[in-house]
Amino acid sequence: DQQVKQNSPSLRVQEGRISILNCDYTNSMFDYFLWYKKYPAEGPTFLISISSIKDKNEDGRFTVFLNKSAKHLSLHIVPSQPGDSAVYFCAASEGETSGSRLTFGEGTQLTVNP
Amino acid sequence: NAGVMQNPRHLVRRRGQEARLRCSPMKGHSHVYWYRQLPEEGLKFMVYLQKENIIDESGMPKERFSAEFPKEGPSILRIQQVVRGDSAAYFCASSPRLGARKGYTFGSGTRLTVV
Repeated sequence: DQQVKQNSPSLRVQEGRISILNCDYTNSMFDYFLWYKKYPAEGPTFLISISSIKDKNEDGRFTVFLNKSAKHLSLHIVPSQPGDSAVYFCAASEGETSGSRLTFGEGTQLTVNP
Repeated sequence: NAGVMQNPRHLVRRRGQEARLRCSPMKGHSHVYWYRQLPEEGLKFMVYLQKENIIDESGMPKERFSAEFPKEGPSILRIQQVVRGDSAAYFCASSPRLGARKGYTFGSGTRLTVV
């Protein structure tokens, strides 16, 4: 029962271009979404998040878009840099009082070519 | 200003042995979470603890796995009688309070290999 899905295991992008990573979810109770970045042999690091009351959140080169009706979110990185090469995980949670349990997608390996 | 500290980084155990994974949360954080990442998969929630209390263990396998977060010392994830399928990366995260969903902080993980 995969409630958060990242259907693209990998993505290759040229430096300077836009990277778009996609994520779909099935649980309509999810009300908070996060993106994490993970380098090999390290733990995930928080990148950006969005509440379900918004449809867009921007932080520098990173923008997350949320389409609640489609149960879809995406992470845009522009311009992409070689240092952005990593595995990106989408995660979701439901309710502040439900604890901070996160449900993760399978991850997308982003490779940015110089 | 140390982050979440996990040790050991790598752990090799023979089938049937016990594995103990340790996690020291960030200073000031009283909430600890354990996640497991099997090869080629995303992270899966295992357990959520506060000091001396297990709050949510709905992701823990029913047998052989246990977790604690004592009043003093690190949180411990204990796996008894390990099997090959337990081989995975185990990540601990901590947060300062309930509902700190803006990205709690992960440790670098313990990679368990069962031979």
